Amino acid sequence: ELKVEQNPLFLSMQEGKNYTIYCNYSTTSDRLYWYRQDPGKSLESLFVLLSNGAVKQEGRLMASLDTKARLSTLHITAAVHDLSATYFCAVDGGSQGNLIFGKGTKLSVKP
Amino acid sequence: EPEVTQTPSHQVTQMGQEVILHCVPISNHLYFYWYRQILGQKVEFLVSFYNNEISEKSEIFDDQFSVERPDGSNFTLKIRSTKLEDSAMYFCASSYNPTGVYNSPLHFGNGTRLTVT
Repeated sequence: ELKVEQNPLFLSMQEGKNYTIYCNYSTTSDRLYWYRQDPGKSLESLFVLLSNGAVKQEGRLMASLDTKARLSTLHITAAVHDLSATYFCAVDGGSQGNLIFGKGTKLSVKP
Repeated sequence: EPEVTQTPSHQVTQMGQEVILHCVPISNHLYFYWYRQILGQKVEFLVSFYNNEISEKSEIFDDQFSVERPDGSNFTLKIRSTKLEDSAMYFCASSYNPTGVYNSPLHFGNGTRLTVT
């Protein structure tokens, strides 16, 4: 069974601090996606990582992919309150459009 | 920026009733999807649709579920006889390319919260 595991599931951090969210997966997929979800809202695409060693950055967020380790990380630099949301990673389930999501990491950034 | 539109935002129905959830994907997209998210849980794939037919479906997508693209813009999910456990947020998504090809994330709508009583 294909699994996508995120940790931590809950993360409370202070503004200005750095932290990393981890996403382990069991498939051999070399594509990984990060999404953000605000409470009661839709899923917003953050990053698409297409190959081993891929690194993408947008503002205070940086995502990387190690397909050999089957690990992706989402690094948060100098967190601000606006980053409070739930972050999901997802991998291709091997079929067309079948994304397998992790359980999500609920991030809360406190002043 | 173009977006995926879903209606209604909230649907309440009684167990055993039929519901139809509506979606208007992004206009030049070719691939359409339904996902669901039970409250507080992860997002789960239901079905993908391309060229007027189902490409892939999950175990969740049983005979009670069906999808249709009745015209050039709408994409619907029908649940024939709702059960309590169908209560969830249902997300429609679309993409220009299939996932796994090029840099093609899914674009999700805001979801329809379905409550079955």
